[in-house]
Amino acid sequence: GAVVSQHPSWVICKSGTSVKIECRSLDFQATTMFWYRQFPKQSLMLMATSNEGSKATYEQGVEKDKFLINHASLTLSTLTVTSAHPEDSSFYICSAHIPGSAYEQYFGPGTRLTVT
Amino acid sequence: RKEVEQDPGPFNVPEGATVAFNCTYSNSASQSFFWYRQDCRKEPKLLMSVYSSGNEDGRFTAQLNRASQYISLLIRDSKLSDSATYLCAVNSFSGNTPLVFGKGTRLSVIA
Repeated sequence: GAVVSQHPSWVICKSGTSVKIECRSLDFQATTMFWYRQFPKQSLMLMATSNEGSKATYEQGVEKDKFLINHASLTLSTLTVTSAHPEDSSFYICSAHIPGSAYEQYFGPGTRLTVT
Repeated sequence: RKEVEQDPGPFNVPEGATVAFNCTYSNSASQSFFWYRQDCRKEPKLLMSVYSSGNEDGRFTAQLNRASQYISLLIRDSKLSDSATYLCAVNSFSGNTPLVFGKGTRLSVIA
């Protein structure tokens, strides 16, 4: 399958700080990437759709000013959690669709964020 | 009604058993269907796509019933390594729209 990477794989930060998570498509160009969040024993919840060269589309209830998404190139999307709070601690996963392929999407390995 | 629903389990089965999971979806316009496997603290990994004609890959068989709006996953001869959470996912429009996931069904295969 296609390769999607994320960095960092885990991060611990203090409350009030900001954290940037990178999602890269390594062997293909992705015009669209998706950001999900998963709390323990919960399902994957879509946060936003990241579109290269344009503004991200956020799901209802997701604060766009808190979760900043930038998709500046065809291989990189970033999610910045601003002014993080302990309740933002979660598993953040990005996915990408390969243009021209069927509908499946490939996931990055995820970033585990812990806010203390 | 939630878009994609799954029995959360857990399903605890002995090695060698056959186990089946179902997943229902509410959007009749859904176009594509998948089963993903997610191990603890890992990302979901695509297990298989689901087609109307059925799809078989070794011990795994996936089926789609459009009339009843459900998809199924059958695992034969369960292995300890099959223990994981199985997520069904549905996409309504195109590859550029996000997948909608069920909450997952947890499977534990016991020696």
